Amino acid sequence: GDSVTQMEGPVTLSEEAFLTINCTYTATGYPSLFWYVQYPGEGLQLLLKATKADDKGSNKGFEATYRKETTSFHLEKGSVQVSDSAVYFCALRALSGNTPLVFGKGTRLSVIA
Amino acid sequence: DTEVTQTPKHLVMGMTNKKSLKCEQHMGHRAMYWYKQKAKKPPELMFVYSYEKLSINESVPSRFSPECPNSSLLNLHLHALQPEDSALYLCASSQDLGTGANYGYTFGSGTRLTVV
Repeated sequence: GDSVTQMEGPVTLSEEAFLTINCTYTATGYPSLFWYVQYPGEGLQLLLKATKADDKGSNKGFEATYRKETTSFHLEKGSVQVSDSAVYFCALRALSGNTPLVFGKGTRLSVIA
Repeated sequence: DTEVTQTPKHLVMGMTNKKSLKCEQHMGHRAMYWYKQKAKKPPELMFVYSYEKLSINESVPSRFSPECPNSSLLNLHLHALQPEDSALYLCASSQDLGTGANYGYTFGSGTRLTVV
């Protein structure tokens, strides 16, 4: 079945450091790919998405590129802030069939001043 | 209105109580979802409603009973829960279950449930 694998956390960075959170997927066909963020005590918010190969999703300084050849959708940000501390979930949704969103296990990011 | 609203935000209930969680959206979405999230874990899918019909039940115990009274509302009725059912319960909606795959889900803020 479809699955998403994320790098293990937690990730601790200093403010203004470069962030990469790796995400790879296994799916039949060409799914849509998403990054969700969950701040402490809150629900999940859609951070960015990409729906086809080579698409780049971006939002709030975060970017991720849909790489079909490596089945990856790594999340990057050039300069993190303390307010970026959260849990980040990579997810996919197959285009065929009535299939719900499939989540990775999540990566906890802590940014220290 | 681009939100999913969940009430209550917090709930403490005894093991013999009956309570309900409520979820509401006015985005015209036709698929709605209940998820359970334990601490430091990803959300686990419980139920999916598509066009107000139960589409997926992920082998959830019968002490959890979903209901979709109309296209905007989703309830989760709770009865005789166990302490291990304590978790964050998230509701989400999406444009459609099948053809809307290009779109992500919109999540509510969740109900933090404690069973004592």
